[in-house]
Amino acid sequence: DAKTTQPTSMDCAEGRAANLPCNHSTISGNEYVYWYRQIHSQGPQYIIHGLKNNETNEMASLIITEDRKSSTLILPHATLRDTAVYYCIVRVHPVQAGTALIFGKGTTLSVSS
Amino acid sequence: DSGVTQTPKHLITATGQRVTLRCSPRSGDLSVYWYQQSLDQGLQFLIHYYNGEERAKGNILERFSAQQFPDLHSELNLSSLELGDSALYFCASSVAGPPWEQYFGPGTRLTVT
Repeated sequence: DAKTTQPTSMDCAEGRAANLPCNHSTISGNEYVYWYRQIHSQGPQYIIHGLKNNETNEMASLIITEDRKSSTLILPHATLRDTAVYYCIVRVHPVQAGTALIFGKGTTLSVSS
Repeated sequence: DSGVTQTPKHLITATGQRVTLRCSPRSGDLSVYWYQQSLDQGLQFLIHYYNGEERAKGNILERFSAQQFPDLHSELNLSSLELGDSALYFCASSVAGPPWEQYFGPGTRLTVT
């Protein structure tokens, strides 16, 4: 799986958009970008994933550059409950049975009022 | 609530002892993954089972073993415990198709004294 690079930490004011970048310059054509987050020692939580098109769900938006070498997770209106460690993970889409997630150090997002 | 349950929540034991951690996946999920999270190593994949069969191994020590039973619950056995085994142990289960997201349990916090 391709390696990812994320900033160690970021701050965001409550109510503002949080934009979390991720570099994955060695990503292969069959690799997807997944985002998970972990709130204070709870189990990680799936947020969103994408291949090359931008994606949006009820939690966030994922913007992937055209060359797919980087992506940005956007939390449109951050709240205090979004304070967490955010992990960007690149992995091959499993054909069957699934594959393990390889976590890096992630970005610690601190949302303040 | 992810639908994945783990017991016990906390476990305190002495060096040299053996413990068993239990995981019940979400209803219908055939894949179970085990991850270890320690302060110095971050989140690391240990082992993956699919429908009772071992599918992949990560950084799992020989002192550790796991199995998945016919009812799909899984157990992680840790033996000859050392101080360095103190960590959070997470179990995750995965949907049997795209987008293959993993749902994590609340974890078991193991303290070895």
